[in-house]
Amino acid sequence: DAKTTQPPSMDCAEGRAANLPCNHSTISGNEYVYWYRQIHSQGPQYIIHGLKNNETNEMASLIITEDRKSSTLILPHATLRDTAVYYCIAQGSSYKLIFGSGTRLLVRP
Amino acid sequence: DVKVTQSSRYLVKRTGEKVFLECVQDMDHENMFWYRQDPGLGLRLIYFSYDVKMKEKGDIPEGYSVSREKKERFSLILESASTNQTSMYLCASRSPPTGYEKLFFGSGTQLSVL
Repeated sequence: DAKTTQPPSMDCAEGRAANLPCNHSTISGNEYVYWYRQIHSQGPQYIIHGLKNNETNEMASLIITEDRKSSTLILPHATLRDTAVYYCIAQGSSYKLIFGSGTRLLVRP
Repeated sequence: DVKVTQSSRYLVKRTGEKVFLECVQDMDHENMFWYRQDPGLGLRLIYFSYDVKMKEKGDIPEGYSVSREKKERFSLILESASTNQTSMYLCASRSPPTGYEKLFFGSGTQLSVL
């Protein structure tokens, strides 16, 4: 399982895009990139995942670099409810996901 | 949407008590998991279950056991609670992996052992 590195904290203004970076330079070819978030006092929530291509769903977009060594989660129009800890995980098929420390995102009014 | 329900949001127990944490999911998922979350340590896997009556130890099973008699229910048991088991406990479920992992988590149980 590849190690991931995320900034400990970030902030952005409400209504603006939030771009959360993640480095996973040791990722192997069969490992996916997953993003989860955890709002205070709740369980983690799945956001999005990708292997090679960029992905978009109703919650966010995931941009993976061509060499797959890093990725960016984009929340296009951040709201106050997006304030949470965001976890980037790079892992192959396994029974467990390893959650690191994540990035604490604060969305400012 | 998948719903994973943990029976208690907050629980206070005394050292030495036997503690049961219950988790129920409503999507017929085969796999269920128990994690604990502590500041600075992330989520650590305690036990998981592939299917009814099947269980496997995770990274930190000591002091815990589990029970899965029905597909929708996965119980975590603290045989004799100790203060170092004070933690947030999270239950999760998923369908069998299809190349990627998508876990659905409950809201967690904050357990305090006094």
